[in-house]
Amino acid sequence: AQKITQTQPGMFVQEKEAVTLDCTYDTSDQSYGLFWYKQPSSGEMIFLIYQGSYDEQNATEGRYSLNFQKARKSANLVISASQLGDSAMYFCAMREFSGGSYIPTFGRGTSLIVHP
Amino acid sequence: GAVVSQHPSRVICKSGTSVKIECRSLDFQATTMFWYRQFPKQSLMLMATSNEGSKATYEQGVEKDKFLINHASLTLSTLTVTSAHPEDSSFYICSARDRTGIHYEQYFGPGTRLTVT
Repeated sequence: AQKITQTQPGMFVQEKEAVTLDCTYDTSDQSYGLFWYKQPSSGEMIFLIYQGSYDEQNATEGRYSLNFQKARKSANLVISASQLGDSAMYFCAMREFSGGSYIPTFGRGTSLIVHP
Repeated sequence: GAVVSQHPSRVICKSGTSVKIECRSLDFQATTMFWYRQFPKQSLMLMATSNEGSKATYEQGVEKDKFLINHASLTLSTLTVTSAHPEDSSFYICSARDRTGIHYEQYFGPGTRLTVT
């Protein structure tokens, strides 16, 4: 079974508008972390935001915020005031604490295109 | 922020040859490094986890004799694709965890695009 599910293969947004990228996860661990990464066409993975399973508040980093709904096992990324440079692939990832090591798992990604 | 480098960034090799990809943490010590493989427009698939000074742990379905991983120091891990074939053509990305940093931080290298002809 997929541990990370990103149901939106592609998303389009108008410049300056907000966009939400969906991510649901599956784990039986109590302790885990959720991440979002941006991958532009150049290929490098850029860390955007992190949410720990015990964090009570939603994580925010500048224009990025993570809408963490633990009971629903969802960790959606919200990008406010989209910019043309936000066009990229976005990956949701989870790290579970399994047997003493952190094993990262990535979703299939969402391609975001920001229109001028 | 912490920097991870990969070398080479691109490599083209002939079928049957071996290719070595280096992953270095430039300004921190990495006890754990991860090697990923990414096909076009697809997700990152974890191939193996390497811990400094010990054998790598390979994910199910990854041939350890084909993808040799060596993590000889706290700043260097290498992935050698042995007897490469066209189906090994892919984008290989390494990442590293800082042993002294925030527990969740994982820094990615810029990736290596391997093309086997």
